[in-house]
Amino acid sequence: EPEVTQTPSHQVTQMGQEVILRCVPISNHLYFYWYRQILGQKVEFLVSFYNNEISEKSEIFDDQFSVERPDGSNFTLKIRSTKLEDSAMYFCASTGDSETQYFGPGTRLLVL
Amino acid sequence: QKEVEQDPGPLSVPEGAIVSLNCTYSNSAFQYFMWYRQYSRKGPELLMYTYSSGNKEDGRFTAQVDKSSKYISLFIRDSQPSDSATYLCAMRVGGGFKTIFGAGTRLFVKA
Repeated sequence: EPEVTQTPSHQVTQMGQEVILRCVPISNHLYFYWYRQILGQKVEFLVSFYNNEISEKSEIFDDQFSVERPDGSNFTLKIRSTKLEDSAMYFCASTGDSETQYFGPGTRLLVL
Repeated sequence: QKEVEQDPGPLSVPEGAIVSLNCTYSNSAFQYFMWYRQYSRKGPELLMYTYSSGNKEDGRFTAQVDKSSKYISLFIRDSQPSDSATYLCAMRVGGGFKTIFGAGTRLFVKA
């Protein structure tokens, strides 16, 4: 069964460093998303991406964040200058019909 | 008032019990309603998806949406220890992309 994959599974970085989280969505899907889940808190929407542009973003997704689909398979989330409060689990999701989203296993980001 | 409210539990039931999980919401524009299951340190897994009001059944799982009361439910029949997980309700407005999640209810099914 096709699935969303994410790399790395864990990332530790120093405050102020740039990180890039990578996702490979399901191959025939057209809509891509990033969510985050701070430990013990709810899953929060960050951004959705369709047709090579951002279709919707939350107030969390400020200028420190960017997304890109650099080729036909990868979808990336970049955090330019990480803060302690960026420590969270980051989930990528994709869908082919905008109605059901399939989530990847997540990348656990720890900012020290 | 929070946009989506969900009792975090934990909810502990014996094996074979019927489990009822619920969420309330405040935004009447929500049209798509989902239930996800999340095991510890894993990504959410879609269980049920419902558009607008009504019931939907899939095996041991039944999802209900009551838009007039802004209330959704997930029922699990013949619960199994493998059902032990956190259950997240989620919803979205029609034509939108942003999915709003509840806090999740932790369920423990005891053998």
